[in-house]
Amino acid sequence: GQNIDQPTEMTATEGAIVQINCTYQTSGFNGLFWYQQHAGEAPTFLSYNVLDGLEEKGRFSSFLSRSKGYSYLLLKELQMKDSASYLCAVKDSNYQLIWGAGTKLIIKP
Amino acid sequence: IAGITQAPTSQILAAGRRMTLRCTQDMRHNAMYWYRQDLGLGLRLIHYSNTAGTTGKGEVPDGYSVSRANTDDFPLTLASAVPSQTSVYFCASSDGNRETDTQYFGPGTRLTVL
Repeated sequence: GQNIDQPTEMTATEGAIVQINCTYQTSGFNGLFWYQQHAGEAPTFLSYNVLDGLEEKGRFSSFLSRSKGYSYLLLKELQMKDSASYLCAVKDSNYQLIWGAGTKLIIKP
Repeated sequence: IAGITQAPTSQILAAGRRMTLRCTQDMRHNAMYWYRQDLGLGLRLIHYSNTAGTTGKGEVPDGYSVSRANTDDFPLTLASAVPSQTSVYFCASSDGNRETDTQYFGPGTRLTVL
């Protein structure tokens, strides 16, 4: 079956760096997405990786290793507004998105 | 530009009743999707439409139906609601380029079936 694994919850301190991991086992691979979802709101797009390596976008970076079925989202200079759930999703061989359950990130002052 | 709108924002429904959740996008996206989100689970695809006039079943289609009469609208109907359909429902759309498209989400409908 298809599976996306992420930690359920993580805690970090304002101003610090946090890395959220995602491992996947899917039928085929056509890209990996990270979304941010604040409580009670819709998911919003953060990043997309289809080739191995690091994609940097401001304070957020996303890394992909297709051979290891692994990605991480790196958040730098954490701010209180970064408290949210972070969703990892993989586009499979049918070009459908398979979603992880999300990682709830709690930022403490 | 509104993006994607959904209605209603929330609804409490008696079991056995029929309910239609509305979704409208103004981005001229070809593809549209309906997901449900339950605590502790990832988003699960209910139905999708790659272009106006076509629809397909996702991971959890039972008890739901959709139609895509035009590009902008993609309503989701629960013919006879059951308590297990209590969930948050998100509509999404994308440009339909299979390799590179990104899905954009509406604000969601919180549905409670009693």
